[in-house]
Formats: sequence, structure tokens, C-alpha cells
Amino acid sequence: DIVMTQSPDSLAVSLGERATINCKSSQSVFYNSNNKNYLAWYQQKPGQPPKLLISWASSRESGVPDRFSASGSGTDFTLSISSLQAEDVAVYYCQHYFDTPQAFGQGTKLEI
Amino acid sequence: QVQLQESGPGLVKPSEALSLTCTVSGGSVSDYYWAWIRQPPGKGPEFIGNIYYDGSTTNYNPSLKTRVTISADTSRKQYYLKLTSVTAADTAVYYCARVRTTLTFFDAFDLWGQGTMVTVSS
Repeated sequence: DIVMTQSPDSLAVSLGERATINCKSSQSVFYNSNNKNYLAWYQQKPGQPPKLLISWASSRESGVPDRFSASGSGTDFTLSISSLQAEDVAVYYCQHYFDTPQAFGQGTKLEI
Repeated sequence: QVQLQESGPGLVKPSEALSLTCTVSGGSVSDYYWAWIRQPPGKGPEFIGNIYYDGSTTNYNPSLKTRVTISADTSRKQYYLKLTSVTAADTAVYYCARVRTTLTFFDAFDLWGQGTMVTVSS
């Protein structure tokens, strides 16, 4: 099974500053035949289900603010929030969907 | 818009079976895969399994495969999860979710229910 590991476990960033979260997969989630990384990022606020932010490693979902960006390929991925807003306080998860079982990281708690 | 709602008992005794229902409203279920995902308190989500909308194909997490059955009733737009021989380790919020792209389960989950908390305790 592919294991997803995030770092750090928690992160405190000042309002307006940049936040960066890392995700590493135990095997590559890049599929050569279509040149895609099977990697998503989710945001979860207390008492709510995860919300899909990013898919295919770097493609922002409709309605997601452009301060959220993501990059990476193969086994190493990054989610960045360019200018932290109060509403961005949440736990962030990466997830691969390269094969079964799909798996999530342990989460990164982002605080002000 | 499409909405998902989980329902079922909030308390299950050890060694018994956990049974949950996911009801889809506001849109079509056709051609999508529908998944069950759980999240133990304070931990990351865990994929349980998925099912094609008509019940013709299922995929399970190997770690749970011997205890899990996911089934479908397309006419009711409902999906079911049964997990047998539960222990305290099965205590979690259980979510149903939709795989974003039709005809494949190799994609992210774009729609989620609000989740239902299930506690395993005597």
C-alpha cells in the first residue's frame, strides 16, 4: 500500500504570511501514460467533512481562492497558501488515488 | 445540487455489525462511483471502499476486506455499508462521498456527506 506522510504535523503562521505544507508518498503516484499525478489536497474545518481544494497535484477546484496553490510530482508534493487568512485555519490532508487502497496523510493542523 | 446524507445507529456493541445508509438527493447517481470513508477521532480519513452506482463493481481496502460489504439500491439512490465483528478501533465518523469523475474510481472525492459518528462500546 502507498503510505502518505505529511510535514509538519502542525504549523502556526501569521495573518498575511505564507504557509507551506509538505506531503510525501511512499511510492510514485505519477502515471506515465497520461502524465498525471494522482494526488489531491483537502481542507477540513471542525465538525465538517473534508473539502476538495486541489486535484491532479496542482489543479485548483472551482471556487477555491487563488491564494491556494500546489505543486510537486512523483513522490513529493507541496500545498501553499500565499497570504494566510483567518478562515484558512483548518486541518489539511493530502490523498493519493493512484491505486486501491487510496490513502490520506495524517493531516497538518494550520493555526494563526 | 447533489447532497449526501449518512444515517444509522450511533452506538454498536463490540463483535456486532455496523450498518449505515448513504442517501443521495438532488441529482443523478448514474455512472459515478460512491465511496465510504471513515475518520477516527483526531486522525486522518481512511478509505473503506467504493461501489459503482449500479452495484456491479466494488473495491475494498484490503485491511478491511474480510469484514466489509458495500451494496447499492439504485431505485432508492441509497448505498449501504456493513462492517462486521466491530471493535473499539472501528469507532469513527463515517462518511459517504462521490468520486468526481464518472466511470472511474481513480479520482478525488468532490462531494461528501456530513458524516455520522459511530461509537463501538458495550
